[in-house]
Amino acid sequence: DTGVSQDPRHKITKRGQNVTFRCDPISEHNRLYWYRQTLGQGPEFLTYFQNEAQLEKSRLLSDRFSAERPKGSFSTLEIQRTEQGDSAMYLCASSRTPLEQYFGPGTRLTVT
Amino acid sequence: AQTVTQSQPEMSVQEAETVTLSCTYDTSESDYYLFWYKQPPSRQMILVIRQEAYKQQNATENRFSVNFQKAAKSFSLKISDSQLGDAAMYFCAYRRVNRDDKIIFGKGTRLHILP
Repeated sequence: DTGVSQDPRHKITKRGQNVTFRCDPISEHNRLYWYRQTLGQGPEFLTYFQNEAQLEKSRLLSDRFSAERPKGSFSTLEIQRTEQGDSAMYLCASSRTPLEQYFGPGTRLTVT
Repeated sequence: AQTVTQSQPEMSVQEAETVTLSCTYDTSESDYYLFWYKQPPSRQMILVIRQEAYKQQNATENRFSVNFQKAAKSFSLKISDSQLGDAAMYFCAYRRVNRDDKIIFGKGTRLHILP
């Protein structure tokens, strides 16, 4: 299996701009997760998909954030009207069972 | 709400020595999973070891082992024969069973290996 991939790896944007990140899970993994990791902290859960259904969203996910997983394959995370507080590493993970989540390399977002 | 606490922001150990990283957690659930994840600098997070709460036997994976004390809600990681490649952030994490699938992470412990 190839691992979880994320694109882009780095993104620098100006405050107020929209950004979109992509995550490609491991083939046949039906579960997909998004986490956010700020400097010096552990990852914090954002949202979770099982196949194409978004089953849970964290309260961290404000109205400016939206995630999709069309056809239960890759997923996108969009942030509208970015703010400096959105600067973080955005991690994607996938799994086939609840026992283990495989993480991607992350997308580091810097909002200037 | 479930929480995971790692009280050691940084630790150092001499190469080939043994080090123990501490973790406590809080939950009202009786069945759950506990994990230790490793995040090397600029590299992706990987699972080091997993413990299912219903199992009394402590999990081991080669040089990595855990001390799981369910009553005390403690879950420490022991790394034996430390190697330079063990240098990383280590995150203790928790997940409920048969509920939502999200993992709750601690803040991490940065482990330095001294040559």
